[in-house]
Amino acid sequence: GAVVSQHPSRVICKSGTSVKIECRSLDFQATTMFWYRQFPKQSLMLMATSNEGSKATYEQGVEKDKFLINHASLTLSTLTVTSAHPEDSSFYICSARAPDRILNYGYTFGSGTRLTVV
Amino acid sequence: GEDVEQSLFLSVREGDSSVINCTYTDSSSTYLYWYKQEPGAGLQLLTYIFSNMDMKQDQRLTVLLNKKDKHLSLRIADTQTGDSAIYFCAELTGTASKLTFGTGTRLQVTL
Repeated sequence: GAVVSQHPSRVICKSGTSVKIECRSLDFQATTMFWYRQFPKQSLMLMATSNEGSKATYEQGVEKDKFLINHASLTLSTLTVTSAHPEDSSFYICSARAPDRILNYGYTFGSGTRLTVV
Repeated sequence: GEDVEQSLFLSVREGDSSVINCTYTDSSSTYLYWYKQEPGAGLQLLTYIFSNMDMKQDQRLTVLLNKKDKHLSLRIADTQTGDSAIYFCAELTGTASKLTFGTGTRLQVTL
């Protein structure tokens, strides 16, 4: 089945630095990827929709200059948290819309990245 | 946005059945999904149901959909300790085909 690889799984960075998270579709081409943020004991909140070759679509309240998304190829989307602060500490999960023989397409999730800003 | 509600916590004994409920608000949802999340991990798709179906069974999992009440449930038969996790329902809505997740139900399986 469709596999999405997300790296790193865990990162600790200093306040003020930037962190890049990668999301790769391993065995399929993903024209659309999604980035979610999950706070402890809470649900997933969609941050942005990443479309290959075009600008990402951000959800209301998400700062596009803070969370830079690049989807330069059909297998890779990156999320860069710029000038990170402790309040950016969270679990970030990517998802790719993958071909599915039953659903036409399904949503496959990466394993998540735990970001801690100190 | 649309709110998808779930109860926060469910505790069952090993071998019993678990029923996790979900109430959604968008009547135009086309697909409804159930995902499982183990600690520190991403989401694993368990099952899904198309909006024109009332019920779907897949081994130990049974999904019931009541469109009139916008109510979705997931029944896990013969619940095992390995089923302990957080379960999210999600609906696929809108022209952008975005997933909206429920608040999540933590299932605890006791011996």
